[in-house]
Formats: sequence, C-alpha cells, structure tokens
Amino acid sequence: RKEVEQDPGPFNVPEGATVAFNCTYSNSASQSFFWYRQDCRKEPKLLMSVYSSGNEDGRFTAQLNRASQYISLLIRDSKLSDSATYLCVVGYSSASKIIFGSGTRLSIRP
Amino acid sequence: DTEVTQTPKHLVMGMTNKKSLKCEQHMGHRAMYWYKQKAKKPPELMFVYSYEKLSINESVPSRFSPECPNSSLLNLHLHALQPEDSALYLCASSPLTANNEQFFGPGTRLTVL
Repeated sequence: RKEVEQDPGPFNVPEGATVAFNCTYSNSASQSFFWYRQDCRKEPKLLMSVYSSGNEDGRFTAQLNRASQYISLLIRDSKLSDSATYLCVVGYSSASKIIFGSGTRLSIRP
Repeated sequence: DTEVTQTPKHLVMGMTNKKSLKCEQHMGHRAMYWYKQKAKKPPELMFVYSYEKLSINESVPSRFSPECPNSSLLNLHLHALQPEDSALYLCASSPLTANNEQFFGPGTRLTVL
C-alpha cells in the first residue's frame, strides 16, 4: 500500500464547477500536510498547508481528518487556470522529509 | 527573496561526461533537497541536507554526488550517467520549522545520451 494515495483522475470539469480531491495517508506519525499544484513541465508550487481546523484561501478549502487519516481539497468556481496536477503531500518533521501522492490531473474546459 | 534558482535549465550529456547541477536559495532556509522527477510521476526524494550536513540519502547510486558548500548553495555532481537517469531534477529548500513547507526551484531538465 502506498504511503499517500490520491484519486487517480483525470478530472475533466466545466468552468465554474466545484471539484473535490481526496487523499489518504497510512502513517499516523505524519505531522504536516500540504497540497501542491504542478503545471506541465514546471516545478511543484505550494498551494496551501492543511490544518486540523481546516483552512480556506479564496476559492480553495482544505480539510484534514487525523482520525481517518484523510485530506481533502475543494475548489469552487473553477477557472481555466486551475488546470494542473494536484499533489497531496505528507510530511514527517523529524526526518525533514515529505512524501508525495501520485497526483490528480485536473482539466477545466470552457 | 522567496525564490529557489537552479542552473542550467536544460542539460544534455553523454554517458562519459561529468557535469554539475547548481541550486541557490536566499531565504535563510536550513534544509535543502534534491529530487528526481520522471514524466507523469511525482517527485522522488534523492538527498536531504540539514544545516549543511547530509542527513538523508535515499539509496541513490554513487554516480550522483551531492555537495552543500554553504547554507545557500547545493550542487549535484553527475558522472557516468545512464540514459534512464534522464529526468527533471528539482531542488527545494525549507526552513526546518514545525510545518516545514518546501519551496521548489524550476528544475534542470537532464537528457543523457
């Protein structure tokens, strides 16, 4: 079983739609949680950190459920520019190490 | 300055060549990382430097040799690579705080002929 598992995608949704990504992690010692986005042939960019209390940044909302070892990302009112691969990432502070999920590809169509 | 820079952007090398990839950050981060990424796959960790000392080597072949000359610089020396080593090589840095977000450079796209 992979340490971090994501919806495989691809997701192809119309502009303006709401889309949700899910991610589960297997190691309960995980201490930090992130969503990164990666555009084709570019580097991963930090989208947001994820906290137990949940956090929101404009159209993006991230949730963490430590009991279920589950992380989610919700994108509201999707834009064409949201098309990218979204990577769920889990960190272990003691090891300065992060583990990437395999990524979910999102395409927004006009 | 919230940027990680990498040079070169692209590199083509033969299997007998020796080359180096360079990475620089001026965010005062105390950890720096090398990752390898193949097409349609997530980045794979290769090395971690914490406080300029190598703290993690993910069983990377010795033809890849990292070096951290100071807290802002990270090099990856390449020698006798194989065609399957062709990939995007990403450098990242992080502040070693509790949350420890990593920030990535644009990468070096390496082709080994």
